[in-house]
Amino acid sequence: EIVMTQSPATLSVSPGERATLSCRASQSISSNLAWYQHKPGQAPRLLIYGASTRATGVTATFSGSGSGTEFTLTISSLQSEDFAVYYCQHYNNWPLTFGGGTKVEIK
Amino acid sequence: DVQLLESGGGLVQPGGSLRLSCAASGFTFGSFAMSWVRQAPGKGLEWVSTISGSGENIYYADSVKGRFTISRDNSKNTVYLQLNTLRADDTAMYYCTKRPYYDTSGRLFDPWGQGTLVTVSS
Repeated sequence: EIVMTQSPATLSVSPGERATLSCRASQSISSNLAWYQHKPGQAPRLLIYGASTRATGVTATFSGSGSGTEFTLTISSLQSEDFAVYYCQHYNNWPLTFGGGTKVEIK
Repeated sequence: DVQLLESGGGLVQPGGSLRLSCAASGFTFGSFAMSWVRQAPGKGLEWVSTISGSGENIYYADSVKGRFTISRDNSKNTVYLQLNTLRADDTAMYYCTKRPYYDTSGRLFDPWGQGTLVTVSS
């Protein structure tokens, strides 16, 4: 099983600032990495797949990078609606696993 | 619009069983892999199971293998998750999700339903 590790667990950011979230895989997953946004009381939402391709309807505020074992999600200028928990997920093979999440909170 | 509506959650005693359902609409159901993902209280997301569009290919997380069974009825546009031998650590919100149309692997999740809560407690 591939273990996904996200850091930091919590990120405190002021509105308008940039946020950088990290995700590490325990072995190479090529670019088979997705990012999801999850707000309290709502369904999770796919943001990024293929490590860097934005899902339908996702704004350019969100960008992803990386390959192999190291990945990054960047939120360029945080708006109020972007404060949420973000999860990475590998889909290189079965079983699929998620990282523990990064909570992006208002500073 | 794609809609996924889960039902069947509730309070069950340890060792008990439940069957979750997910009624889907707004897309050609039989052409899409469907999955269940759960979130325990205060914890992160955990993939549970995936079934291919035809139902021929099925995958489970090790934590539920042998206890949970995923199935689908393409004539009813519904996917099911049978939960047996439930344990306290199965307590979670269970989300139904489909693969996006551009995903050929069946391993991505978009969109998701609102979830159904399963509580295992005596």
